[in-house]
Amino acid sequence: GAVVSQHPSRVICKSGTSVKIECRSLDFQATTMFWYRQFPKQSLMLMATSNEGSKATYEQGVEKDKFLINHASLTLSTLTVTSAHPEDSSFYICSSPGGLNNEQFFGPGTRLTVL
Amino acid sequence: DQQVKQNSPSLSVQEGRISILNCDYTNSMFDYFLWYKKYPAEGPTFLISISSIKDKNEDGRFTVFLNKSAKHLSLHIVPSQPGDSAVYFCAASATSGTYKYIFGTGTRLKVLA
Repeated sequence: GAVVSQHPSRVICKSGTSVKIECRSLDFQATTMFWYRQFPKQSLMLMATSNEGSKATYEQGVEKDKFLINHASLTLSTLTVTSAHPEDSSFYICSSPGGLNNEQFFGPGTRLTVL
Repeated sequence: DQQVKQNSPSLSVQEGRISILNCDYTNSMFDYFLWYKKYPAEGPTFLISISSIKDKNEDGRFTVFLNKSAKHLSLHIVPSQPGDSAVYFCAASATSGTYKYIFGTGTRLKVLA
């Protein structure tokens, strides 16, 4: 399957700072990427759909000014958590669609801890 | 409102036996279902899928069964191996071209050696 990478894998930051998470498609071009958030023992919750060259589409209840998404190229989408607070601590995962079985290819995820 | 539910948060099975993971959904518009496996600190990896026009799909040790009338699907793993120990998510979509999936809450499978 296609390979999606994420960087960093783990980040700890102070409350009020901003954190950028990168999602890269390594061996294919991704016109669409999805950003998910997973709290402990909970499901993957779709936050937004990132489209190359256009604005992201956010799910209901997700603050677009807090979670800035940029998809400037066919291989890179970024999620910036602005003015992070402890309640933003979570596991953030990106994915790209396109498998033969209609599956998505997921990155390894980023564990964000806000102190 | 949780449209995709996995009511068993955990399951323990002896090595070599069958593991059965269950998933229920409420939205009758869902017509495509997938199972993903997830290890700690990693992203989910695709296991197997099924379209609503089928009631069974098999791939090696993994079989997914779909009961549309009951809005229920299950994943059977036989024989179970210790390496199968992971969290399993079912996901559903209405394949209108959006590739957007609704995920269940996951079931942690532990296969005992």
